[in-house]
Order: sequence, then C-alpha cells, then structure tokens
Amino acid sequence: GQNIDQPTEMTATEGAIVQINCTYQTSGFNGLFWYQQHAGEAPTFLSYNVLDGLEEKGRFSSFLSRSKGYSYLLLKELQMKDSASYLCAVRDPGGNTPLVFGKGTRLSVIA
Amino acid sequence: DTEVTQTPKHLVMGMTNKKSLKCEQHMGHRAMYWYKQKAKKPPELMFVYSYEKLSINESVPSRFSPECPNSSLLNLHLHALQPEDSALYLCASSQDQGTSGKKSTDTQYFGPGTRLTVL
Repeated sequence: GQNIDQPTEMTATEGAIVQINCTYQTSGFNGLFWYQQHAGEAPTFLSYNVLDGLEEKGRFSSFLSRSKGYSYLLLKELQMKDSASYLCAVRDPGGNTPLVFGKGTRLSVIA
Repeated sequence: DTEVTQTPKHLVMGMTNKKSLKCEQHMGHRAMYWYKQKAKKPPELMFVYSYEKLSINESVPSRFSPECPNSSLLNLHLHALQPEDSALYLCASSQDQGTSGKKSTDTQYFGPGTRLTVL
C-alpha cells in the first residue's frame, strides 16, 4: 500500500525555524517532492530529494533518509508569507499514480 | 520558464450545462495531468496523458472527459456535473511520466487552477 504521513497543522513565530516532518510507506521509491500551496492557489515546487541527505535552497532545506522512510522540510527565518500548506509527495514507480501526496501540513506564522 | 496556464480562473455552471476547462504549457513537457482538489485536502489525480495518449484514468466518472489535442494543450470537458464536483481543478505538466528518478523529468509544475462551482 501507499501511505504518507505529515502533521496536520503547525504554528511558528516570525523569524524562527520550523521543521515539517513527512514519513512514507510505499511499495517503491523514486524521489520525494515538497510543494508549497497558499490558500486557493496552485502548489508550487519547492524541493526534490532522491538520495539521502540535505538539499539546501535559500531559507528552505529538505532532508531525506530512505532507510527510515523519512523526510523533513526546514524553513528558516520564517516570514508571514510562509503561512501556507506544505505538501509532501512521493514518486512510487510501483504504484498506479505518478505522485502520491500526503494530506499536507498547514503552517501558520504568527508575529 | 515553468508556466502552466489554465482558463477560466472561475467557472459557475448548472447541472445541465456543458463546459470545458483548458490548460496549456509551452515547456515541451510530454506528460500532462488533471487533478481535483477539495478545500484542505491534497490534490487527487484524475487523468494523466503521456505523449498525447491517456495513460492513467483514476476511475473518474464519465461526466468528466479529458482531451489532449496536441502536446501543449489539455482540456477537460464537463457535462451533467453534480454539486459535489465543485472544487479547484488543477492542471500540471512534467517533462516525462517516466521513472527516471530525476528532478528534471519528474517534477510536476502546476497551473493556477480553475475554481469550479456547480449549482
């Protein structure tokens, strides 16, 4: 089967650091994506991991451990505009669908 | 350029109407997708076209009919919809639908979506 878990909601303070975790159980694995989605808008691509380790891109970093079926998205120097849903998605070549999405984590950044 | 465009942005239709959603990309991508998204839920895959051929239909009711006239365009024809079909309809594209495990080929880029309301 396919299952992707992420926390439903998180709250963090402007200027702080927040880590959004994602665990997955899929029949196969060929990459993990993080997308950001503001309310009523389309998801926008943030990061991609296919090998273990950390990928850094500005204030955002994403980490992957394939042996643990685990990833996290790290957001530094939080800004109010970072308030959005963050979707973890796994590419499972053994599954029917090209991308399996988690339910998303709604992040609220407060002053 | 990673732009996917969709029209219209908003659509209100009755249950007896026929309408179409349009999606366009000029990135040379050969895989295109339709997703349906309800509020506070992740996108749900509906259809995938790969090289202009339907490759995945996620058991979508026949009142939704996809069409891929060419490699840049993807349509979704709507007929006799129900109020529960009201949602955000997202189009996406990727370079390929393959299993290369490469960011360049597998990353899906989403359009802004069409907000559909069925009365």
